[in-house]
Formats: sequence, structure tokens, C-alpha cells
Amino acid sequence: RKEVEQDPGPFNVPEGATVAFNCTYSNSASQSFFWYRQDCRKEPKLLMSVYSSGNEDGRFTAQLNRASQYISLLIRDSKLSDSATYLCVVNPGSTGRRALTFGSGTRLQVQP
Amino acid sequence: EPEVTQTPSHQVTQMGQEVILRCVPISNHLYFYWYRQILGQKVEFLVSFYNNEISEKSEIFDDQFSVERPDGSNFTLKIRSTKLEDSAMYFCASSEQSEAFFGQGTRLTVV
Repeated sequence: RKEVEQDPGPFNVPEGATVAFNCTYSNSASQSFFWYRQDCRKEPKLLMSVYSSGNEDGRFTAQLNRASQYISLLIRDSKLSDSATYLCVVNPGSTGRRALTFGSGTRLQVQP
Repeated sequence: EPEVTQTPSHQVTQMGQEVILRCVPISNHLYFYWYRQILGQKVEFLVSFYNNEISEKSEIFDDQFSVERPDGSNFTLKIRSTKLEDSAMYFCASSEQSEAFFGQGTRLTVV
């Protein structure tokens, strides 16, 4: 089983649509979870951290289900500028270990 | 807004040559990292650095690679005897705690 697994997509959605991405992780001891976005040939940019209680930042909502080892990202009212690859990222967070494990990403294409 | 900066943005080198990739992490960050991304593949962890020493490294980070913090601001990745398969984007990142911020990357092309 892959450490971090995502549906590669692409998700093609019209502007204004709501879209949801899911991600599963294999290491049950993982402590920190993030969504990054990556534009073509650019660096990953932190979109949001994911907390057990769930968190929201504007049009973006992230959820974590530790029991199912599952993370989600919901994007409401999609904009053309949301077109990118969304990376699910996990950090085991145990003492001395801070390496991030990346999923392969889910590609989103928002269409006019 | 503080950011991680990397130089050069693109490096072309001949197979067998040594390259040094440079990074200036965010100034108050304590943890530094190198990652790489081969074209079309996922981002992979190479090494993390804390308190002037390597704190963790992946299987990829073998004797061909080394890291150094030569002064108070720079963080470098040296790749000795480059191979064709070392061609990739190399990203430097830094963090204060768990959230890591990435530089814009160095595209390394080995010919």
C-alpha cells in the first residue's frame, strides 16, 4: 500500500462548482497533515494544515478522519485560478522525524 | 512575506560533474530540507537538517549527496559525480515547526 494515496484525476469542473478530493495514508502514527497546491513546474505551496477538528479557510475546508486514515479537501465556488495539482502531505511527526511524505497529487482543471 | 530562495533556477551539467545547489531558508526557521521531484513524479524527501547536523535522510540520499550550512544563512546540497537520473527539480524547504515552506526550486539537467 502506498504511504499516501490520492486519485490522480484529472477533475474537470466548471467555474462555481464544488469539488472534493480525498486522500488515504498508511502510517497510523502520523501526526501532521497538510494540503499543498502545485502549479505546473512550480514549487509546492502550503494551502492549509489539517486538524482533527477540521478547518476552513475561505472557500477551502479540510477534514481529517484518524480512524479511517483519511483526509479530504473541499473547494467551494471553484475559480479558474484554482486549476492546479493538489498534494496530500503527511508528516509522521515523531521525535526527530519531520520528513514530509507526499501523495502523487490530484489534478484539478476548472473550466469557464 | 519571508520566503525560501534558491539558486540557480536552472543548472545544466555534464554527467560525472559535481554540482552545488544553494538555498537561503527563512531566517527564523530551524529545520531545513531538500526534496526532489523527477518530471512527472511525486515530490520525494532527501534529507532534513537541524542544529547543524543531518536529522533524517532517505534511501535516495546516499554517499553521492551531502549537505552543508557553511554560514548563518546558506544551506547547500552537493551532488557528486552526477548521473542522468539525477535530472530533476530540487526543492529546498524550511520550517519553524511542522509547516514547511518551499523555495522555487532548481531544475537540474544532467546531459
